[in-house]
Amino acid sequence: GAVVSQHPSRVICKSGTSVKIECRSLDFQATTMFWYRQFPKQSLMLMATSNEGSKATYEQGVEKDKFLINHASLTLSTLTVTSAHPEDSSFYICSARGGQVGNTEAFFGQGTRLTVV
Amino acid sequence: QKEVEQDPGPLSVPEGAIVSLNCTYSNSAFQYFMWYRQYSRKGPELLMYTYSSGNKEDGRFTAQVDKSSKYISLFIRDSQPSDSATYLCAARNSGNTPLVFGKGTRLSVIA
Repeated sequence: GAVVSQHPSRVICKSGTSVKIECRSLDFQATTMFWYRQFPKQSLMLMATSNEGSKATYEQGVEKDKFLINHASLTLSTLTVTSAHPEDSSFYICSARGGQVGNTEAFFGQGTRLTVV
Repeated sequence: QKEVEQDPGPLSVPEGAIVSLNCTYSNSAFQYFMWYRQYSRKGPELLMYTYSSGNKEDGRFTAQVDKSSKYISLFIRDSQPSDSATYLCAARNSGNTPLVFGKGTRLSVIA
């Protein structure tokens, strides 16, 4: 199956700093990547959809200036949490989809546990 | 009403039992239906993928989709303690649209 690599798996940062999370598709070209946030014992909450070479589409209530998404190549998307605060602490997960539209599956990264202190 | 409804459980069964996990959905435009397994502190892992109505079997897992009743099911035969995880159903329209997830059901298989 397709492999999506997400890095780092865990990060602790100080309040006010920025953190970058990478999501790579290792064996396919990902035309679309999705970023999710997941709170403990909750389902995945879609934050944004990014298509290679274009601006990300953010879900309602997600601050685009705080959660910067870059999808500059077909194998890499990054999520930068800017000026992080303790309430941004969460589990962030990416998924990548590629190939023929309408007949594709989304594969997920391993997730990044962000703790802001 | 959430587009995909799923009972969060928890569900606890003895080893060897048949497990039935279910979801309902409201959007009749959904065409693709998935089941994911998620272990604690890990990303979801795709288990089953079904297009439109019908059954799909893969080893101990069987996925069923009934579009007439908007009902999605996952059956696990001969359940094992290693099956203990959260199971998420998901669905989406045709085209390159995001998945819509259920809340996930926490399953524990007791040895």
